[in-house]
Amino acid sequence: EAQVTQNPRYLITVTGKKLTVTCSQNMNHEYMSWYRQDPGLGLRQIYYSMNVEVTDKGDVPEGYKVSRKEKRNFPLILESPSPNQTSLYFCASSSPQRGAPYNEQFFGPGTRLTVL
Amino acid sequence: QKEVEQNSGPLSVPEGAIASLNCTYSDRGSQSFFWYRQYSGKSPELIMFIYSNGDKEDGRFTAQLNKASQYVSLLIRDSQPSDSATYLCAVRAYGNNRLAFGKGNQVVVIP
Repeated sequence: EAQVTQNPRYLITVTGKKLTVTCSQNMNHEYMSWYRQDPGLGLRQIYYSMNVEVTDKGDVPEGYKVSRKEKRNFPLILESPSPNQTSLYFCASSSPQRGAPYNEQFFGPGTRLTVL
Repeated sequence: QKEVEQNSGPLSVPEGAIASLNCTYSDRGSQSFFWYRQYSGKSPELIMFIYSNGDKEDGRFTAQLNKASQYVSLLIRDSQPSDSATYLCAVRAYGNNRLAFGKGNQVVVIP
């Protein structure tokens, strides 16, 4: 089954304790992205990756790191989490279709993070 | 000006009625337009996309695009309780994989 998986699905942690949220896709997609979703603010992009070893900042990158060592994996790293990073996080992937205006982004199930 | 704007506030519609959602965008270079449906606590799922001016119909859903007015809308005909969700408008610029999302519109279908 084609899918994007995230782990963990739920996480409660404390300020300053480093954590990693994993994201993996089995569709051989080049493009992967991380979003956070907060009430009243909608989905905001944190980081994205166009391909292996190619990453770039989105709209709200502060406090986050990513890496793309393999095509299928795109982990999100919080080196020193703070309470304002409490949010619902989604990973997404898509495959650019050259010359086509449409490419669907597939979303993972989400990770609900609480930082105390 | 926000990149993608959607009317705020929940939309309540009786079962069987038409729900109408609107979205405006600021980047004239935007090429593709998407409507995602998101149930509470779940991930967004794509229900419609459109990239040419005019209407596009898929079952009970119709997307309408007017690039001159920088406006895209979604109509849900014969609304069902299962349509109760938040609908997210997303816009993609030409040659770019980045999606810019609106804040979403909550739709509540009343039986």
